[in-house]
Amino acid sequence: GAGVSQSPRYKVAKRGQDVALRCDPISGHVSLFWYQQALGQGPEFLTYFQNEAQLDKSGLPSDRFFAERPEGSVSTLKIQRTQQEDSAVYLCASSLGGGEIRRRGYTFGSGTRLTVV
Amino acid sequence: EDQVTQSPEALRLQEGESSSLNCSYTVSGLRGLFWYRQDPGKGPEFLFTLYSAGEEKEKERLKATLTKKESFLHITAPKPEDSATYLCAVQVSGATNKLIFGTGTLLAVQP
Repeated sequence: GAGVSQSPRYKVAKRGQDVALRCDPISGHVSLFWYQQALGQGPEFLTYFQNEAQLDKSGLPSDRFFAERPEGSVSTLKIQRTQQEDSAVYLCASSLGGGEIRRRGYTFGSGTRLTVV
Repeated sequence: EDQVTQSPEALRLQEGESSSLNCSYTVSGLRGLFWYRQDPGKGPEFLFTLYSAGEEKEKERLKATLTKKESFLHITAPKPEDSATYLCAVQVSGATNKLIFGTGTLLAVQP
């Protein structure tokens, strides 16, 4: 596609509910990232995939957070037993790969705004 | 610990009034410093990458510079459409391709 597509754009979840956030990267982009952005803050790294391999998950805040990219394209970020502090915008980004990241950065989607009530 | 600090947090300019945004960083080894623009309700949009001290890059009214400790984003004769949050991020040597972001500078340009 022309850009990185994320769905849903908005999600309201009751505390304790499980949620799944979807990311469709730009076709052919091997690198995929998830970031969490709290209100008034910069994005914070969650996890990184190269094709289907999850190479870095050091930013996932707890074992309630899980990400997958089984076929090396679409990715899903799952949050189990949501809590109020999980409320944030979840951004997905993709890139062709290492050298391209340095030249052009990533391309971000518009994010999913998660509100836990 | 790798860290990025941006200042000021917010900046209000009159149209045509030039200014600079600051990004200070402390990292074990810099692979690249990135500037992004973020509009409300949107994801960050890539502007520049700088690799080494002394490097400069320009795009329209924006010019980014880099030293060993900080980067500046100079805005010359800004227009209202330049209003946005400007984010600075670093990519650290030896790490994966993740970026460490600052908290951003919210720029408002009034006509």
